[in-house]
Amino acid sequence: DAGVTQSPTHLIKTRGQQVTLRCSPKSGHDTVSWYQQALGQGPQFIFQYYEEEERQRGNFPDRFSGHQFPNYSSELNVNALLLGDSALYLCASSHRRLGGFSGNTIYFGVGRWLTVV
Amino acid sequence: AQTVTQSQPEMSVQEAETVTLSCTYDTSESDYYLFWYKQPPSRQMILVIRQEAYKQQNATENRFSVNFQKAAKSFSLKISDSQLGDAAMYFCAYRSGEGSGNTGKLIFGQGTTLQVKP
Repeated sequence: DAGVTQSPTHLIKTRGQQVTLRCSPKSGHDTVSWYQQALGQGPQFIFQYYEEEERQRGNFPDRFSGHQFPNYSSELNVNALLLGDSALYLCASSHRRLGGFSGNTIYFGVGRWLTVV
Repeated sequence: AQTVTQSQPEMSVQEAETVTLSCTYDTSESDYYLFWYKQPPSRQMILVIRQEAYKQQNATENRFSVNFQKAAKSFSLKISDSQLGDAAMYFCAYRSGEGSGNTGKLIFGQGTTLQVKP
């Protein structure tokens, strides 16, 4: 049973560039959330996708956008990269129909480091 | 808005001993869930234990147990018989209940780094 998988492995980008991170949810899961974790800090919620729609968004600018595909996989896009976007980006998945949005268990991927230089 | 606070940036424990990690939270909601997650150097966030706010009984998972004090908004994690593999960063997290209209995002504390000494 595949867990939450993320790609690419480690990214180094230049300020002003754009980056796309990808996530495949755990088998059977239909809801994907993205979190940003700065070094030494707790993860911060970016947004969540369910049924190919953004359901909730954290306090992140519009430079952060996402998408969910019919197979439930998801992308996180960040435009006009800033040095402050350097962080670990975590993808998490869950199953909406098992316990609703709150009662189900959230599984995390290993995350992907983004370095902006 | 809900907040989660972990006031211990670092803790250490001797192998086989017991350690308690502290967490406080602030919310006006009555229906919510609390979690402890472990993040080892591999960076993958692993669920350790969860507590439903409506349950008075403290959750227990093997060597891990919580002390949930709803009125005080406190949610501490006790690790018994500490093992070297317990060394990691531990995060306390909050999640609103279904009725809040929230889609289930997690709100994390700042984390506590646990060192286990052999």
